[in-house]
Amino acid sequence: DQQVKQNSPSLSVQEGRISILNCDYTNSMFDYFLWYKKYPAEGPTFLISISSIKDKNEDGRFTVFLNKSAKHLSLHIVPSQPGDSAVYFCAAMNKGTYKYIFGTGTRLKVLA
Amino acid sequence: DSGVTQTPKHLITATGQRVTLRCSPRSGDLSVYWYQQSLDQGLQFLIQYYNGEERAKGNILERFSAQQFPDLHSELNLSSLELGDSALYFCASSVGGYGGELFFGEGSRLTVL
Repeated sequence: DQQVKQNSPSLSVQEGRISILNCDYTNSMFDYFLWYKKYPAEGPTFLISISSIKDKNEDGRFTVFLNKSAKHLSLHIVPSQPGDSAVYFCAAMNKGTYKYIFGTGTRLKVLA
Repeated sequence: DSGVTQTPKHLITATGQRVTLRCSPRSGDLSVYWYQQSLDQGLQFLIQYYNGEERAKGNILERFSAQQFPDLHSELNLSSLELGDSALYFCASSVGGYGGELFFGEGSRLTVL
């Protein structure tokens, strides 16, 4: 049972444009969400997080939006840069447990 | 550099064998998580320890076991290995077992022939 879903395995975007990565979840008990970036041969690195009490969180070029009623979150990268090319994972957790559940990832390619 | 150290980076072994993967968390982190990534799959949660105690369990096979030692390093033991166990195994650590971000190591790539 995949509780966190990233339905787009890949995405290509032109440099300077906006990249939008999407993530859906099924467990309404999730209350904390994170995005990670992964380059080949490296471990995932933390990008940005959001608590369920918020609907938006920004950090530089990265913004995460949370729509609790739709059980959907998205990561916006503006402007996209070639160095952003990587696999992006969303993750969710219920703070009442200790499990971080990850999606299957979306491979972003930013074209120069 | 996340501060999380995993050894070995690469491991090739045969079916039926047993291996041990080691993880040293970031200094000060009490919680260790283990994840498995097979081919282009997502990160499958295996198990979590907090200050030496098991706190959460995911889809960990009975052939797999883990522990966290008093110095907080952790080991993941994989036995009776099968071809399907070939994967990247990631360790992550965090300050506490309740929320916050995870810091990942570079992973241990296991190949079972």
